[in-house]
Amino acid sequence: SQTIHQWPATLVQPVGSPLSLECTVEGTSNPNLYWYRQAAGRGLQLLFYSVGIGQISSEVPQNLSASRPQDRQFILSSKKLLLSDSGFYLCAWSQAGAQPQHFGDGTRLSIL
Amino acid sequence: SQQGEEDPQALSIQEGENATMNCSYKTSINNLQWYRQNSGRGLVHLILIRSNEREKHSGRLRVTLDTSKKSSSLLITASRAADTASYFCATESNNDMRFGAGTRLTVKP
Repeated sequence: SQTIHQWPATLVQPVGSPLSLECTVEGTSNPNLYWYRQAAGRGLQLLFYSVGIGQISSEVPQNLSASRPQDRQFILSSKKLLLSDSGFYLCAWSQAGAQPQHFGDGTRLSIL
Repeated sequence: SQQGEEDPQALSIQEGENATMNCSYKTSINNLQWYRQNSGRGLVHLILIRSNEREKHSGRLRVTLDTSKKSSSLLITASRAADTASYFCATESNNDMRFGAGTRLTVKP
């Protein structure tokens, strides 16, 4: 069966520090991968999605970036965090060309 | 940007009662999905209904879709305290999926 791992679960970072969140999927190949951000009590904002290694599409211009160095690995990064980057970050995968999406347990990011 | 809008934003009921949540959207879709999110966790897929379907059931869940009104409803029958969570609808169109802001359901024991 397929599983998705996302870490860390919580992270507290100072403003201006770098960020690296990692997401890996097991049990499937060539998945579509997604990064979302969720503000408290709100819906999901799609940040990035990827349909293959090295293929990244950005939905919202900001100081975050994403990379897919391997088929089942998706990384969310920032060189310098802003206060506004605080939130709950969710990684998800789906079978290419099909739905639904399967989510990790998220990372709670707090910027101080 | 969001596509679906859930209504109500929050719903509080007693255990055993039915809970109905609604979702409206603006553009044509291929399918509509409902997800559940427990506090501080990821979303879990509940049910998918295609644009050519009108109703679907899964256990205590019943989903309807009215494409003429661009709306869907999720009914949870005989609710339990464990159903307490946020429920999101998501619309899919041309492999683009958009989530609503969710309905926060509280089921009191």
